[in-house]
Amino acid sequence: GQQLNQSPQSMFIQEGEDVSMNCTSSSIFNTWLWYKQDPGEGPVLLIALYKAGELTSNGRLTAQFGITRKDSFLNISASIPSDVGIYFCAGPPKTSYDKVIFGPGTSLSVIP
Amino acid sequence: EADIYQTPRYLVIGTGKKITLECSQTMGHDKMYWYQQDPGMELHLIHYSYGVNSTEKGDLSSESTVSRIRTEHFPLTLESARPSHTSQYLCASSEKGSNPRGYTFGSGTRLTVV
Repeated sequence: GQQLNQSPQSMFIQEGEDVSMNCTSSSIFNTWLWYKQDPGEGPVLLIALYKAGELTSNGRLTAQFGITRKDSFLNISASIPSDVGIYFCAGPPKTSYDKVIFGPGTSLSVIP
Repeated sequence: EADIYQTPRYLVIGTGKKITLECSQTMGHDKMYWYQQDPGMELHLIHYSYGVNSTEKGDLSSESTVSRIRTEHFPLTLESARPSHTSQYLCASSEKGSNPRGYTFGSGTRLTVV
């Protein structure tokens, strides 16, 4: 079935560093969603992207909808300890707009 | 500020017991979902509902059952809990529509079966 791939699987970075992660699919997506899950909590929506090429920011976070519509990127600038968590990409594939699928997640650890 | 509530947050229960995990949302969302997630791992969809009296099984086979008698309430039941059911269970909801703004998740129930 359709699935999303995220890389890297995990990251260990120093506080203050910038972070980049991506999400790819073999299918076209009309919407890309980025979630963050804090330890012991449910995922929270960070950014939603609706158009190919779209670049959207939310504070220190910036996400882009790839022009091929098969990928998306999330950048975090000047990381801080509270950025720790799992970042999931998600979206409804063009062929199944009714159901959102989630990537396997990128685990981020920030070393103070 | 959560508009979707899950209870209990933590549950430790003996093998063979029947349990119900509660999920309620106050946003009037038509769609609701249950995901199972092992710590630090992927989210697996086990049940979903597109409205009252509508329930479907998700991508991951589960021995649990769900019901949707009221729009705001989507409980999940395990008739006979087993250690293999130990996991985190996340409930989510979303608006109706073909261009979803994403899901709103509850804080989850962490279930341990001993």
